[in-house]
Amino acid sequence: KQEVTQIPAALSVPEGENLVLNCSFTDSAIYNLQWFRQDPGKGLTSLLLIQSSQREQTSGRLNASLDKSSGRSTLYIAASQPGDSATYLCAPTDSWGKLQFGAGTQVVVTP
Amino acid sequence: DAMVIQNPRYQVTQFGKPVTLSCSQTLNHNVMYWYQQKSSQAPKLLFHYYDKDFNNEADTPDNFQSRRPNTSFCFLDIRSPGLGDAAMYLCATSAGGTGRTETQYFGPGTRLLVL
Repeated sequence: KQEVTQIPAALSVPEGENLVLNCSFTDSAIYNLQWFRQDPGKGLTSLLLIQSSQREQTSGRLNASLDKSSGRSTLYIAASQPGDSATYLCAPTDSWGKLQFGAGTQVVVTP
Repeated sequence: DAMVIQNPRYQVTQFGKPVTLSCSQTLNHNVMYWYQQKSSQAPKLLFHYYDKDFNNEADTPDNFQSRRPNTSFCFLDIRSPGLGDAAMYLCATSAGGTGRTETQYFGPGTRLLVL
């Protein structure tokens, strides 16, 4: 069974600092990996999807890397803003399209 | 503009009183998912439909049922809610399936409170 761990569980940074969020997973036989953002009491918003054959995916200030063989993915957020405050979840996907979520990293960016 | 819509956003029910949560989508995706998310926990997949084919997760309690009358709509029925069923229920869709790699799109969720 896939186990997904996200470290740290919570993170607080001043505005402008870069954020580094880590995700590790135990089963490297994944089809892809998605990063999501969740605001308090809301649904999930997909940020990035990395195919298993890719090493990296970028969207604006977001960059996600994937090392499938070692079971790791990292989400980098450059020049953080207060609006980046949210919980970030990673979710490897199996070949059936099923996501296995980590518990998330709660991020607070202070002005 | 909304793509995955969930109604109601908040639902209060009594212990043991059946409740139905609704999800609709304008994306014409063939796969629809229901997740349960308890406070500060990861979302947990309950079941999903690939077209009309229903796929139940092994550890989903029998108390939870689902219906998908057409491509656009999917319902979650909780036959006899217990206090432990209080959670956020998330609906998601994707154009994916076996061997596909499509993004899942989530609705805003329905927060269920059981009194």
